[in-house]
Amino acid sequence: DVKVTQSSRYLVKRTGEKVFLECVQDMDHENMFWYRQDPGLGLRLIYFSYDVKMKEKGDIPEGYSVSREKKERFSLILESASTNQTSMYLCASSSLAGGHPGELFFGEGSRLTVL
Amino acid sequence: GQNIDQPTEMTATEGAIVQINCTYQTSGFNGLFWYQQHAGEAPTFLSYNVLDGLEEKGRFSSFLSRSKGYSYLLLKELQMKDSASYLCAVRDRDTDKLIFGTGTRLQVFP
Repeated sequence: DVKVTQSSRYLVKRTGEKVFLECVQDMDHENMFWYRQDPGLGLRLIYFSYDVKMKEKGDIPEGYSVSREKKERFSLILESASTNQTSMYLCASSSLAGGHPGELFFGEGSRLTVL
Repeated sequence: GQNIDQPTEMTATEGAIVQINCTYQTSGFNGLFWYQQHAGEAPTFLSYNVLDGLEEKGRFSSFLSRSKGYSYLLLKELQMKDSASYLCAVRDRDTDKLIFGTGTRLQVFP
């Protein structure tokens, strides 16, 4: 089974702190994604990556950056956390081969609170 | 534009049948997914439709009409463990990304 692991389930940070959210997948998927999930707004795409060292902006990239130095790892970075970035962050991966085209496999989520 | 609509909340009784609707408007369509998400957990894949018609998988079925921009998820013989959020997501043909609805929170009562 595909496993997508996010480094932290719960984090509490202060405004202005730099925050790293790590995600690792173990099925050699080419594509990786970062979403945030907020009540009433659903899942919104922040950034995604189709290959190592490649990144593409999603729908709400402002205030975030990403890093993909290895195929299995995709990191989300909040350079200077703000209270409006309090949210549930979900990492996902997908493969170009096999399964349903575009099917996403999600991690457990990281709930970030910025005080 | 891109828009996906589904009801915010639904309630049902254990043993009953419930239908969760999803309507969508996208610039290009290339498949529709349903995911289940229990509170505090990751979304998990339930079903995939790319052609019109009904896909059945055990107690769950999903229907698609591309001409109407409409899908539904049908849950039969409801169990308490089916209490969860159900996410409709459309794969956009032009961007190849999944666009999610806001989710439908289903509560099953005894």
